[in-house]
Amino acid sequence: DIQMTQSPSSLSASVGDRVTITCRASQNIGSYLNWYQQKPGTAPVLLIYAASTLQSGVPSRFSGSASGTEFTLTISSLQPEDFATYSCQQSYSTPRTFGQGTKVDIK
Amino acid sequence: QVQLVQSGTEVKKPGASVKVSCKSSGYTFTTYTMHWLRQAPGQRLEWMGWINPGNGNTKDSQKFQDRVTMTRDTSASTAYMELSSLRSEDTAVYYCAREVDRVGRYFDFWGQGTLVTVSS
Repeated sequence: DIQMTQSPSSLSASVGDRVTITCRASQNIGSYLNWYQQKPGTAPVLLIYAASTLQSGVPSRFSGSASGTEFTLTISSLQPEDFATYSCQQSYSTPRTFGQGTKVDIK
Repeated sequence: QVQLVQSGTEVKKPGASVKVSCKSSGYTFTTYTMHWLRQAPGQRLEWMGWINPGNGNTKDSQKFQDRVTMTRDTSASTAYMELSSLRSEDTAVYYCAREVDRVGRYFDFWGQGTLVTVSS
């Protein structure tokens, strides 16, 4: 199975901050990397697919990039509604696997 | 608009089975694979398997060692996931999610989740 490792596991930030979350795959997954946002008690919401493509309706302050097996989610200017948990997911092969999540909370 | 609506909360005893449904609307049910995932309290999302609603083909995670059965009713645009021989570690929120396979592969729509609690 492909292991997905996120860092950090949690971070505290203020509104307006630039936030960066990293996800590393245990092997080559090409661009088959997706990012989701999840708030307590709700289902995940797709933000970015294919490493860097913004899902329709997602604000442009979210962006994704890739370098080899390392992937990055960036929020350019954190907004109050962005406090949530973010998870990466590889769709290169089955089983589909997820990172452990990064919880972003208010500093 | 695309919607996936799951069945309600379940409480089961160890050793029992649970069957969760996922009713689709707003798109052609047979066009996209439907995946099942779960999330135990405080844990990462875990993939369980998928079903191709068009032909009924399935693939599940080896972790569940034949405890999971995925089916569908195309006339009702509904997918089902049954998990047998339940144990306390199966307590989790279970999700269905539609996977798009176009530019990349990703889960674009999710059900609202079904809480399954396994307790004696």
